[in-house]
Amino acid sequence: GAGVSQSPSNKVTEKGKDVELRCDPISGHTALYWYRQSLGQGLEFLIYFQGNSAPDKSGLPSDRFSAERTGGSVSTLTIQRTQQEDSAVYLCASSLARQPNEKLFFGSGTQLSVL
Amino acid sequence: DAKTTQPNSMESNEEEPVHLPCNHSTISGTDYIHWYRQLPSQGPEYVIHGLTSNVNNRMASLAIAEDRKSSTLILHRATLRDAAVYYCILRGLGGTSYGKLTFGQGTILTVHP
Repeated sequence: GAGVSQSPSNKVTEKGKDVELRCDPISGHTALYWYRQSLGQGLEFLIYFQGNSAPDKSGLPSDRFSAERTGGSVSTLTIQRTQQEDSAVYLCASSLARQPNEKLFFGSGTQLSVL
Repeated sequence: DAKTTQPNSMESNEEEPVHLPCNHSTISGTDYIHWYRQLPSQGPEYVIHGLTSNVNNRMASLAIAEDRKSSTLILHRATLRDAAVYYCILRGLGGTSYGKLTFGQGTILTVHP
């Protein structure tokens, strides 16, 4: 596809359930990022992947959150035992590389609602 | 990480120029200055970036102070579609800022018809 694709666009789940959010980056982009944005708040960095390097997980808020990137392409963000405070828009972005002059391309996000 | 400071909000009238300021007094020599904007209910989109020299593209211009401690994003003729949150971000080669972009609160731009 031409841009970063995220699915589902909306997810409603019950407290305590696990959810998986998917991100398809732009073909050829080696860097992939996950952010989340709570209602009315700024973007909070979660995790990023660069090629085959170990991911930077410094932004993950708890051990209930994990992410993987298979084959250097598609990424899945998993939230276990969801809590109401996990409700937010989860945004994925990719870039050609992680060099400081590279720009990020964002998807439209997944709106997660935990009831 | 080097931080940026932006006004919380600004207002403009349609078809007038808009100057969005950003202070980054602790910028390092290898930090690029990036601007992104986020329209309502959308993910952020890239606007422009620069290192030392002023930059122009189809969306905007970026004016960088000679000492690089501040910059200004210039929208030459604001339209209603430019109403968004504008983020000024530093992206460098080293330290914890390497790789990821750290977003602040940004400037909410309101454009009046």
